[in-house]
Amino acid sequence: KAGVTQTPRYLIKTRGQQVTLSCSPISGHRSVSWYQQTPGQGLQFLFEYFSETQRNKGNFPGRFSGRQFSNSRSEMNVSTLELGDSALYLCASSVAGTSNNEQFFGPGTRLTVL
Amino acid sequence: AQSVTQPDIHITVSEGASLELRCNYSYGATPYLFWYVQSPGQGLQLLLKYFSGDTLVQGIKGFEAEFKRSQSSFNLRKPSVHWSDAAEYFCAVIMDSNYQLIWGAGTKLIIKP
Repeated sequence: KAGVTQTPRYLIKTRGQQVTLSCSPISGHRSVSWYQQTPGQGLQFLFEYFSETQRNKGNFPGRFSGRQFSNSRSEMNVSTLELGDSALYLCASSVAGTSNNEQFFGPGTRLTVL
Repeated sequence: AQSVTQPDIHITVSEGASLELRCNYSYGATPYLFWYVQSPGQGLQLLLKYFSGDTLVQGIKGFEAEFKRSQSSFNLRKPSVHWSDAAEYFCAVIMDSNYQLIWGAGTKLIIKP
């Protein structure tokens, strides 16, 4: 079974631009969660999608948004990029996104904002 | 406020020595507990998890963790580390019905030859 895939793996953007990251979950997984990982802040939860609906949301500004498609693939968008958005963005999928469902992580997308 | 603390940012251990990584949480009830490992350039991999039952949990790669309710801790242990264990280790906890993982800051494990 293929793992969680994220594209692109690396991205360089400039301030003010917008970016879209993609995540394909493991086949059969309906929940996709997004995290931002930075050296200073660690792992921060962005949001979770389940069956095309945002089910949970972390404390990030509205510039960060996402969506999930009917095939469970998810995209995350960041508008008006800031230098502080430079981070590793991780996507995780699970079967149903409840407490005892293991989350499987993708390798991440490394975003650099110049 | 609910929080997860990994008090050691870095730990250096000689190859073959034993290892214990600490994790404490702040929560009134029993949470769901996880340890993940992140190798350089890799995503996060689940080592083990605790939901209920036996408080000593066995995981992959020879790791184990013990849940101690009285100390609000879930420390990760390995009797003998290998150079390939060099990585960053994260403790994560689910503490409410939102089922959101709350993460510790991570502990970077360095292995001395």
